Formats: sequence, structure tokens, C-alpha cells
Amino acid sequence: DARVTQTPRHKVTEMGQEVTMRCQPILGHNTVFWYRQTMMQGLELLAYFRNRAPLDDSGMPKDRFSAEMPDATLATLKIQPSEPRDSAVYFCASGDTGATGELFFGEGSRLTVL
Amino acid sequence: QQPVQSPQAVILREGEDAVINCSSSKALYSVHWYRQKHGEAPVFLMILLKGGEQKGHEKISASFNEKKQQSSLYLTASQLSYSGTYFCGTEGSRGTDSWGKLQFGAGTQVVVTP
Repeated sequence: DARVTQTPRHKVTEMGQEVTMRCQPILGHNTVFWYRQTMMQGLELLAYFRNRAPLDDSGMPKDRFSAEMPDATLATLKIQPSEPRDSAVYFCASGDTGATGELFFGEGSRLTVL
Repeated sequence: QQPVQSPQAVILREGEDAVINCSSSKALYSVHWYRQKHGEAPVFLMILLKGGEQKGHEKISASFNEKKQQSSLYLTASQLSYSGTYFCGTEGSRGTDSWGKLQFGAGTQVVVTP
């Protein structure tokens, strides 16, 4: 059963530390989205890639967040330095027809910054 | 820009119907609907493309009025399994900076009671 895999599932860290979240999209999918979910904001789009190229990262705080896709099997979201307000669940989703098709979500990475 | 969903929450008895609305300030190419159970990842329900189509998924159906930039999700004869948070996602029209980019609303929490 093909699925999107995210690691770590849970991460507790202290303010100022670097955090890296990883996502393995479904093989063959050409689009990857990163979303952040909080109670207040719902699902916020942070960045997305098509064919490994970053198309939009306007939803990310540029000074501390970065997203990359070093190869077709790995997407990363990095926060440096982390802050308590970054505490949230981060979801990765992949699809094979961009936004005009079903997106498959990973189980999410729950981040707590103390 | 995130679409706006209403209501924020709805409580139903089994067998009752409900409508969830989603509106955007921008011209839309597609509208997606997802359901998220507590502690799980969002799961795809359906996608509606520009053209005013209506789709169904079991007793859950949706409509899309592209002129009004609105979509509605209809829960008919609700079942306990329908409980969860429903998100609409919108993709902007071709040629706009939001084409290919799926942005979600804040969600509507649905609770179905016996």
C-alpha cells in the first residue's frame, strides 16, 4: 500500500535548536506540499514543489524556515532557529497531477518547541 | 489566501443532514474536500473542477458554483463515521499565482451523535 512517510512523528526540542522534518512522497508523484496545522490557523500552506522544483514558499517565514527536495524520494523542511510559536503538526502531501487531483497526506510530524 | 468555511462546527444526530460552505475571494479552478479524523491525516473525499459539476461520495455530495466562487458539501442521513473535521481546499484559476497551489480553509468540525 503506497503511502507518504514522514519522520519524525514526534519531536520535542528547545527554543533555538534546529529541527529537520523529512518526507518520502509516494513513488511516481511529482508534486509535494508542506502544510502546518494549528488549532487557530487550520491547515496553512508553507511550500510546494513540482518535479522537485520549488514553486512557492511564500507561506514560510523566510528567515527561519527552508524547504528542499534533494531528490525525488525526499523532501525536507528545516527550521533554524526554532521558536515556541512553531509548535504545530507539519504535514507533507504528495500527488501526481499537481493540485488538480487527489493529495495523499503523511501522518504528520508533531513538533513541540519549549 | 485561505478560503472561508462555515459553520465552524456542527453537531448532528445520526440520520440528520448538514451543509458546509466554502467561499473564496479569488476565481477558482478547482475545489477539494477532505475529512480529518482526530489524530489522523486528512483524507481525500472529492474534487470539483470548474464547470459547475456536482459529485457524490456515498451519502456525501458537493457542488461548485464557479461564478460565485463557492462550494458546498452536503452530508445526507449522517452516520457516526461522518464525524471529523472537514476541510475545503481551493486552487486558483489558470494564469493566476494560485493555480496549482492548494490552500485550505480553517475547517468545520462535525460531530455526529447516536
